[in-house]
Parts: sequence; structure tokens; C-alpha cells
Amino acid sequence: NAGVTQTPKFQVLKTGQSMTLQCAQDMNHNSMYWYRQDPGMGLRLIYYSASEGTTDKGEVPNGYNVSRLNKREFSLRLESAAPSQTSVYFCASSQDRGTYNSPLHFGNGTRLTVT
Amino acid sequence: SQQGEEDPQALSIQEGENATMNCSYKTSINNLQWYRQNSGRGLVHLILIRSNEREKHSGRLRVTLDTSKKSSSLLITASRAADTASYFCATDPTQGGSEKLVFGKGMKLTVNP
Repeated sequence: NAGVTQTPKFQVLKTGQSMTLQCAQDMNHNSMYWYRQDPGMGLRLIYYSASEGTTDKGEVPNGYNVSRLNKREFSLRLESAAPSQTSVYFCASSQDRGTYNSPLHFGNGTRLTVT
Repeated sequence: SQQGEEDPQALSIQEGENATMNCSYKTSINNLQWYRQNSGRGLVHLILIRSNEREKHSGRLRVTLDTSKKSSSLLITASRAADTASYFCATDPTQGGSEKLVFGKGMKLTVNP
């Protein structure tokens, strides 16, 4: 039972390069999320998808795009990476449309450094 | 923007002692959740308490919620070295849509063997 799987685990980019972070869940959850975690800042929501075919902006969406490819997969794309996007990125999923009465299941993160 | 704020930001105790962590928040909520994060790993859900509940237990964990004071506490009894981790509270605000679970900045617990 893999849960939420994120790839890659580590990545170093140069400013201006692009990349896609992949996330897949095998729990048949409806909702998926992308968070970033920075020291002293906690977790901040970038984008979420309440169901297959829908995506919505979170607290810090600028510089990112997402795709809900199917019910299992939710990818995060950085079109032109900037040093400010150096962070640890977490994908999460939950059973219900939102978080009410439903805990989040997290992947183990992607550690991204932009030089 | 952060909704929950954990207090203290760091706590160091000896194995066998109890650890209490507090969380304060600002707006009305549907529920409040506590998560644990081990170093280099993702967050793991520990316990959820609804706004109409005052106390909840799960194994060595005890969570209380005081909606009048907009605060919650997480008590870990008989701590173990394996409890060393960062702990986060997260609130599900009634405004803004139930999708947006808002996390605090976290609190680092160190349990010394």
C-alpha cells in the first residue's frame, strides 16, 4: 500500500529552467493538494483539486501550474524556476471533497533547490 | 496566512515525561487536526477534533478544544524517543471553503532517552 508517491525526491535547477513534480495516490481519493514548506513558514497551499477535472488556486499559486491528469495523478509544474521557489514540496490527498472530517495523507516530499 | 500558532515553538523533555503543545487560532472552525512530521518525511495525521467536541483520546494522545478561547492542546503521555518530531496543528475554517486546511508553523519536540 504505497499511499501518496512523489517523484523526484530531490532536484536542483538553474534559474529559468522548468520542471514537473509528479504525484500519484492509490487510495481512490477525490481531492489532491500541493503544499510548499519553508523554514519558519509552516505549510502553504499552492493549488488543490477537489475532484478529477477541477483545479483551484491556494494561498501561493504564482509561478506554478497544475494538472489533474486523472483521479490518481496531480502534477505541479514550474515553468521558469526562481530561487524563491527553493522549498520542500508536498503532495497530499484526502477522501472527501474538502478537509471536513477527512485527514490529509502526505507524500514524503520533493526537495527542490533553484540556483 | 497562518491560522494556527503552536506554542511553545520547541520543547525538550526526558523519556517518560508528558509533553503538552498548544495551538491558538483566529477564526471559527469546522475542525482542528494535529499532524506529526518526522525529519525528512511527510506529515502524518494524528487526530481530528470537531468543533462540537471538547476532548478526544487516541492511545497516548489527548486533544482538547476550547472554541470560546480558540485554542487546542495536544498532550502526549509517557513520551518515547520515537515521539521526537515536529507537530503541527491545522484548522479547517468555516469561511473560505472546506478545501483550505490551514497549517501552523509547527513545534519541534525532542524526547531525550
